[in-house]
Amino acid sequence: GAVVSQHPSWVICKSGTSVKIECRSLDFQATTMFWYRQFPKQSLMLMATSNEGSKATYEQGVEKDKFLINHASLTLSTLTVTSAHPEDSSFYICSARTPGLNTEAFFGQGTRLTVV
Amino acid sequence: AQSVAQPEDQVNVAEGNPLTVKCTYSVSGNPYLFWYVQYPNRGLQFLLKYITGDNLVKGSYGFEAEFNKSQTSFHLKKPSALVSDSALYFCAVTARAGTALIFGKGTTLSVSS
Repeated sequence: GAVVSQHPSWVICKSGTSVKIECRSLDFQATTMFWYRQFPKQSLMLMATSNEGSKATYEQGVEKDKFLINHASLTLSTLTVTSAHPEDSSFYICSARTPGLNTEAFFGQGTRLTVV
Repeated sequence: AQSVAQPEDQVNVAEGNPLTVKCTYSVSGNPYLFWYVQYPNRGLQFLLKYITGDNLVKGSYGFEAEFNKSQTSFHLKKPSALVSDSALYFCAVTARAGTALIFGKGTTLSVSS
């Protein structure tokens, strides 16, 4: 299947700083990418849908000014957690699907963010 | 609104026994259904999907699932469990190709030797 690469796998940052997480589709063009957040032993909660060349669509309750999403190319979407706080510590996972491919979603390996 | 229910937080089976992980869904229109597996601190690995066609779907690592429209279920099964199958399993649904998957809360499968 297609490959989605997410970087970094883990990051520790200080409160008040910003962290950028990258999600790349390595062997296909992803017109749409999705960002999820997962708390320990819980399900994946959809944060936002990222469309190449347009603004992201955020789910209810997700602060768009805090979680900045950019999808500048067909192979790269980034999630920036701005002014991070300890409560932002979580596992973030990106996913990519394209209409032209199989409807299966391909997932990155996830990023463990710890804010201290 | 779309939703997925996985009624069991944990399923325990002995190695060699059959396993079932339950999933029911709610969606307007025809569902696209998926099962994924997650190992600790890792992303999700695709197991199988139902889009259309045969109700019994066979996937990776010997897993299969049966789509039951009348019961709105998509239970994951395997005839003979392995210890290495121990992981967190997610059922997911969407109603349109290209849209985000909505996940169930997950079921932890524990296979004992």
